[in-house]
Amino acid sequence: ETGVTQSPTHLIKTRGQQVTLRCSSQSGHNTVSWYQQALGQGPQFIFQYYREEENGRGNFPPRFSGLQFPNYSSELNVNALELDDSALYLCASSLGGRGRRTEAFFGQGTRLTVV
Amino acid sequence: DAKTTQPPSMDCAEGRAANLPCNHSTISGNEYVYWYRQIHSQGPQYIIHGLKNNETNEMASLIITEDRKSSTLILPHATLRDTAVYYCIVRVGGLQGGSEKLVFGKGTKLTVNP
Repeated sequence: ETGVTQSPTHLIKTRGQQVTLRCSSQSGHNTVSWYQQALGQGPQFIFQYYREEENGRGNFPPRFSGLQFPNYSSELNVNALELDDSALYLCASSLGGRGRRTEAFFGQGTRLTVV
Repeated sequence: DAKTTQPPSMDCAEGRAANLPCNHSTISGNEYVYWYRQIHSQGPQYIIHGLKNNETNEMASLIITEDRKSSTLILPHATLRDTAVYYCIVRVGGLQGGSEKLVFGKGTKLTVNP
């Protein structure tokens, strides 16, 4: 167990809809990163939140957005869903910033299916 | 793009050591090598990381060559539960503040056979 919790575990949405995925980070961690993993591929970096601000973004369109809350939990929002958005969405929690850093610990993921 | 190269698949007999190679010929002097594994449909699990010295923990050992252009992850006594996809990752471009992003390749599918 990593102490990183994601919800929901599975989700089915219709093309064009919007979805919100949630992540509770491990206690003491201040950084949350989101990854998308298509079937048969390695995870791809979407963006990272550090101290409630976006801190780096991968090659994903603006309809992928996020939030980080004061307790360092995070949300991933995807608007105007497309069929290709079907994937496993992973959240990774870590302690970042200057000084001591930790490796990233992943949640179990949310399996999103867009039909 | 991932900065590492791994074989797509490997097999290992249960109880034997599993040695998973990784090439990272363009690694920079201050970049760490990380290993994660992913058991089917679960989130990746951190295994170990290192900079230049060999490292060992309760899960595995990491051997990094002197020129740092390649490394080997060693699972000393593989079990059936070690069957997974193993990712070798070089930390890419430290983000301001925060933590490093991880750039995953396709990894090595390790199958441990009875």
